[in-house]
Amino acid sequence: DGGITQSPKYLFRKEGQNVTLSCEQNLNHDAMYWYRQDPGQGLRLIYYSQIVNDFQKGDIAEGYSVSREKKESFPLTVTSAQKNPTAFYLCASSIQGMFMNTEAFFGQGTRLTVV
Amino acid sequence: SQKIEQNSEALNIQEGKTATLTCNYTNYSPAYLQWYRQDPGRGPVFLLLIRENEKEKRKERLKVTFDTTLKQSLFHITASQPADSATYLCALALSGTYKYIFGTGTRLKVLA
Repeated sequence: DGGITQSPKYLFRKEGQNVTLSCEQNLNHDAMYWYRQDPGQGLRLIYYSQIVNDFQKGDIAEGYSVSREKKESFPLTVTSAQKNPTAFYLCASSIQGMFMNTEAFFGQGTRLTVV
Repeated sequence: SQKIEQNSEALNIQEGKTATLTCNYTNYSPAYLQWYRQDPGRGPVFLLLIRENEKEKRKERLKVTFDTTLKQSLFHITASQPADSATYLCALALSGTYKYIFGTGTRLKVLA
């Protein structure tokens, strides 16, 4: 089945550690996204990538890094510079096209907790 | 500044009634607007898309309207069921970019 897979579902990080969240899609989508969701707040865009080997910062990129070496994969690293990393992280993908008239497909999310 | 506003208060309605959710935006010129459903602890799921030149879109019990003059979209669920209970998010897709901008969502609870 085609879809977008995030792992792990739950992740615990100690203070000062970097952690990497995995996102893989087999939908042959060019565009991929990372969002952060906090209680009472909307989804906030961290990074997005329109094509392999290219990505742009979203609204809250500080303390995060990404790579896009393969079309299928868009991992997110939460670095120790991110001061408040506890949140629900969502990865999404969409077809890249001229009119952008398609929806975003989301993974099931990774809940990151700092311990 | 640019904002997308959805009613942050939960909406409780009786089963069988029509639920109406509102999405207002300012200082955006979206190419189109989308609605998603999100269940607790899960990723959003796409429901409907409406383009800037469309007034209304329907899919089964769902209806979306889009008024670019008022900068508002209304999302209706007719004959609501307890299974429709979830958080509903609106999202704008901005012309010329690959960014989706999401609202905070409105939690809907349908009472049996």
